[in-house]
Parts: sequence; C-alpha cells; structure tokens
Amino acid sequence: GENVEQHPSTLSVQEGDSAVIKCTYSDSASNYFPWYKQELGKRPQLIIDIRSNVGEKKDQRIAVTLNKTAKHFSLHITETQPEDSAVYFCAASRGGSYIPTFGRGTSLIVHP
Amino acid sequence: EPEVTQTPSHQVTQMGQEVILRCVPISNHLYFYWYRQILGQKVEFLVSFYNNEISEKSEIFDDQFSVERPDGSNFTLKIRSTKLEDSAMYFCASRPGQANEKLFFGSGTQLSVL
Repeated sequence: GENVEQHPSTLSVQEGDSAVIKCTYSDSASNYFPWYKQELGKRPQLIIDIRSNVGEKKDQRIAVTLNKTAKHFSLHITETQPEDSAVYFCAASRGGSYIPTFGRGTSLIVHP
Repeated sequence: EPEVTQTPSHQVTQMGQEVILRCVPISNHLYFYWYRQILGQKVEFLVSFYNNEISEKSEIFDDQFSVERPDGSNFTLKIRSTKLEDSAMYFCASRPGQANEKLFFGSGTQLSVL
C-alpha cells in the first residue's frame, strides 16, 4: 500500500519567514495530494490540494509543488504569521480510492 | 459551515470494556470514514463506509472493530474489547460524493484505555 513520509516533524520559524514542509510517497498510482492543517484542539481542515496533472498550485501565501518523477510534494508558506502555527499533514491517494494515506505531521511554530 | 461532530471528546475505559464512538457526518455526505492517531504517530486509516456497508478497511480494523449507521444521521465505531494499544485519537470524516475528494473531519475522540 501507499506510504507517505513527512519532514520535518517540527519546524520553528520567525514571523515573516518562509516555511517548507516536504513529503514523499511510494505509490506511483497516487494522483491526489491534499494538505490538512490542525490547530491545537481543533479538527484537521483542508487548506490546499493538488492533482497529479499539475506541478504547482498557489492560494495566497500557501503553495504546493509536486514532482511526480521523484514522488515528492511540498507545502510552502510565505510571510508566516503566528496564526499559521499548527500541525500540518500531507496525504496521498490514488484515483478511485478516495482514501488518503497521511504523513506523520509537522508541527509548525511561528514565533512573533 | 456544516461540521462533522463527534462525541464524546474524551473517553476513558478499562481494558476489556466495549466502547462506542459516535459521529454525525455532514447531512448530505455519502462517504464516511474512521481514522485514528496514536500519540506521535501517523494518522491511520481504519475503515470507509458507503451505501450502508463497509467499502474498504485496513488491517488495523480487525474483528474487534465494527461500524454502524443505525439511522440517517449517526455513524458509530465500536470496539468490543479494548486493549491498551487502542488508546488514540479517533477521527471521523465524511465526504460529499464520488467526484469530491475533500474529507471533512470531526474534532476527534481521545480514547484512553487503562
């Protein structure tokens, strides 16, 4: 089955800096890659996703890139703010399955 | 915005006891899921449910686990005889339909087995 590895487990940045979280996946048939944000004590919520037919997607300060050949994808957050502090999960799923396999999560801490 | 709700938020039980975790998916959603996260580990898929039956399950979802949609709104996960290693955060999620892959998660039930 699919295996998703996520790094780093913890990321500490200063407000205004950029943050990058990286994930790799094992199943070349995976074609959907969502990212979820979980603030302390709250539910995971989808913040951005990308499909395998595109290489990059942006939404304001967040962007996701995908390298299908290398089977890795990354989340980029620019101009980080304290409210970006949360645990971020990457995931991968194959078409027709709709069952994402999650990474271990990255705890992002943005210091004011 | 509609939300998936889960109850209770925390559940403490003795080893060997049965527990039922409850979820109310978003009303017009068709696909339902249970995931769990043991502290410090990955979010792991347990089971998916569609059209009143299990559509897929992981190897974690053994005979001790069962799911049910007893009425038009609730979706439950039952663990028949809890073990210490069942201690985890259990997340329910739902998805609107075939063409929409976005999962909507509940806020989780923290299960502690003593």
